[in-house]
Amino acid sequence: EAGVAQSPRYKIIEKRQSVAFWCNPISGHATLYWYQQILGQGPKLLIQFQNNGVVDDSQLPKDRFSAERLKGVDSTLKIQPAKLEDSAVYLCASRAVAEVGWTGELFFGEGSRLTVL
Amino acid sequence: DQQVKQNSPSLSVQEGRISILNCDYTNSMFDYFLWYKKYPAEGPTFLISISSIKDKNEDGRFTVFLNKSAKHLSLHIVPSQPGDSAVYFCAASYSGTYKYIFGTGTRLKVLA
Repeated sequence: EAGVAQSPRYKIIEKRQSVAFWCNPISGHATLYWYQQILGQGPKLLIQFQNNGVVDDSQLPKDRFSAERLKGVDSTLKIQPAKLEDSAVYLCASRAVAEVGWTGELFFGEGSRLTVL
Repeated sequence: DQQVKQNSPSLSVQEGRISILNCDYTNSMFDYFLWYKKYPAEGPTFLISISSIKDKNEDGRFTVFLNKSAKHLSLHIVPSQPGDSAVYFCAASYSGTYKYIFGTGTRLKVLA
């Protein structure tokens, strides 16, 4: 079974530039999450999708961050304009439907590391 | 408002001994708790979970204990191995929204 795919793995940009990250979840996983992990901190939820609808985007800085999951499969997270404090690893995760024997596991991709100079 | 807390940023343990990682939470609505391991430049990897209807779950060398009255969970690794050296995150979730909140992590170093 293929895992969660993310790209690019690394991106370096100047402040005020824009950047986009892509995520393809595990096939059949309806719930998709974007997390931001700043060095030395735990992952912080930015946005949660259920199919192509937003469940929670309360911590997404909407003046500069946007995310979409148009067909309920892959997703794009965009930052425009980027600030120095956006330097972080952006993690995408997906979740299977809860059923008998479900462990609650979130499956993570390898992450996209952003450096803003 | 940090709903999930890992108060020990780091822990060193001798190979073969027990590693105990701790996690506290504040919201009694959480009903699923998970532990993840993270190596540098990789995404977090699931280790073990426990639902709020249990107080213990084991998987090989890994055991998670849940104390709901104290709002505390712990991960025990026995015996510890050098390959266990990584950052460990605990996470909590509500089954209604399936929103997962992560702690700040504990860096475990297992000394050979």
